[in-house]
Amino acid sequence: ETGVTQSPTHLIKTRGQQVTLRCSSQSGHNTVSWYQQALGQGPQFIFQYYREEENGRGNFPPRFSGLQFPNYSSELNVNALELDDSALYLCASRQPGQGDYGYTFGSGTRLTVV
Amino acid sequence: GQNIDQPTEMTATEGAIVQINCTYQTSGFNGLFWYQQHAGEAPTFLSYNVLDGLEEKGRFSSFLSRSKGYSYLLLKELQMKDSASYLCAIWAGNQFYFGTGTSLTVIP
Repeated sequence: ETGVTQSPTHLIKTRGQQVTLRCSSQSGHNTVSWYQQALGQGPQFIFQYYREEENGRGNFPPRFSGLQFPNYSSELNVNALELDDSALYLCASRQPGQGDYGYTFGSGTRLTVV
Repeated sequence: GQNIDQPTEMTATEGAIVQINCTYQTSGFNGLFWYQQHAGEAPTFLSYNVLDGLEEKGRFSSFLSRSKGYSYLLLKELQMKDSASYLCAIWAGNQFYFGTGTSLTVIP
């Protein structure tokens, strides 16, 4: 149990559809980041939220969007799914005052686009 | 990008020592991290270097040389449960830049 819970664990979607992935962080974790991990690759940064506002974004198109809620949960939304979006999606969160090493990762959602 | 390179796969024997290398090309970063990731599980934090030198945490140690653009993770007294992917990552600009990971297989 890492304290960061992601749902669902697995998901299959059709190309062109939309998907919402969810992350529930520990209480007090007001910084959350999302990463995409393709098979055989390292995780790639999608974006980060701090106090419900996006404060950093990687090289991902606008069809990747997110939300962070006051209860320390967050969402990753992907529109117009493409086959290359098939990957493990990880969220990571930390408490204020923790150093860079304070991030806790969830186990991820495995998304398959067919 | 940060051009982080790691070997793709390594195999080592139970009880032995293994060193996983990581090289990078970047103009600046806050720290270099090592994570362990078992298949289908979350990456878990192993070690963290800010300054040059060796950081030791039990069976795991990590070394950083900023001038050489080089880090390594040393695993001692290997156990079967150490079979996993090991991710080298740089923290810069409020995000992690990960390498592709090294898949370590520990054999009896």
